Amino acid sequence: EAQVTQNPRYLITVTGKKLTVTCSQNMNHEYMSWYRQDPGLGLRQIYYSMNVEVTDKGDVPEGYKVSRKEKRNFPLILESPSPNQTSLYFCASGASSYNEQFFGPGTRLTVL
Amino acid sequence: SQQGEEDPQALSIQEGENATMNCSYKTSINNLQWYRQNSGRGLVHLILIRSNEREKHSGRLRVTLDTSKKSSSLLITASRAADTASYFCATDLRYNNNDMRFGAGTRLTVKP
Repeated sequence: EAQVTQNPRYLITVTGKKLTVTCSQNMNHEYMSWYRQDPGLGLRQIYYSMNVEVTDKGDVPEGYKVSRKEKRNFPLILESPSPNQTSLYFCASGASSYNEQFFGPGTRLTVL
Repeated sequence: SQQGEEDPQALSIQEGENATMNCSYKTSINNLQWYRQNSGRGLVHLILIRSNEREKHSGRLRVTLDTSKKSSSLLITASRAADTASYFCATDLRYNNNDMRFGAGTRLTVKP
């Protein structure tokens, strides 16, 4: 089954404790991206990747890092999480940015 | 910054009625996409319309695009309770088409 998976689905952590949210797709997509969703603000793009070893900042990259060492994986790293990063995070993939995007189920992160 | 803005923010209708949602954007685009999100879940792609297209249909969905006004509309005909969800438009920027921008969404409630 074609899908985008994210782990964990729910995470409660404390300020400053490094964490990684994994994202994996099995559709051989070149384009992958991360979004955060906050009430009233819709989805805002954090980072995107056109292909392996190619990543670029989106709209709200501060406080986040990503890597794209393999085509299928695109982890989101919070080196020192802060409470303002409490949000719902989505990973997505597509053949390119102007094709249909497939979204993961979301990761609800709470930073205390 | 957000590229697309949906209007209205919320819409409540009776089952069987038509629902119209609008999206306006700021800069030239290659494509515009509409997505649906059930509460707290990942987004699901509905339809993609290219900048050289004016109208597109998919089942009960009709999308129009007016590039001169930088706006699009999504019409759902003969709505059902199961159509209750949030609807988002997404655009890729013509001069940086690896960067996708979503609006804040329209929350549609269809009452049985």
